[in-house]
Amino acid sequence: NAGVTQTPKFRILKIGQSMTLQCTQDMNHNYMYWYRQDPGMGLKLIYYSVGAGITDKGEVPNGYNVSRSTTEDFPLRLELAAPSQTSVYFCASSYDASQVYLNTEAFFGQGTRLTVV
Amino acid sequence: AQKVTQAQTEISVVEKEDVTLDCVYETRDTTYYLFWYKQPPSGELVFLIRRNSFDEQNEISGRYSWNFQKSTSSFNFTITASQVVDSAVYFCALIFSGNTGKLIFGQGTTLQVKP
Repeated sequence: NAGVTQTPKFRILKIGQSMTLQCTQDMNHNYMYWYRQDPGMGLKLIYYSVGAGITDKGEVPNGYNVSRSTTEDFPLRLELAAPSQTSVYFCASSYDASQVYLNTEAFFGQGTRLTVV
Repeated sequence: AQKVTQAQTEISVVEKEDVTLDCVYETRDTTYYLFWYKQPPSGELVFLIRRNSFDEQNEISGRYSWNFQKSTSSFNFTITASQVVDSAVYFCALIFSGNTGKLIFGQGTTLQVKP
């Protein structure tokens, strides 16, 4: 199993450009998440999905969009990149983390370091 | 409000010292999970431990130990005989029942272990 795979690992964007961060998991997890990590800060939730076709906003959704057409994939779209979106982005997945008694944990991808100049 | 606070921004110790990383959480839920993750300089997030709200037993894993105290809403992490390889950012995080698994992270504590 590859776990959670994110691409690309690094990217430099110019202000106003758009891009999609890819995330795929092969663990048949139904819950997936996108977090961003700013320097010296913890991770903040951008968007999440509890299953194919279902997405919802997290704490910091502005400037981003997501889709979940399959269980495996959860791409994050940046429209009109801004310097404030310079960050490290992490994708994560879990089996059914709402069922706390199941002892589920979130598995994280390696992260994508994005710089907007 | 659900919140995780790691008051220690940075800690520096000399190798072989013991070090404790503090984590205080807030939640109104009675069912929740607490986590610790390690983020080494390479940047990935490494899961260390999960503890549910019904299990207040302390846990030891090698040089790592965790002290969960519901009375003080704390979930502290101790590294015994620290090593240079322990240098990393450590995050405490919370999931509460019914929140669809969204992790609420503390700000992280940067641990530097000097040789």
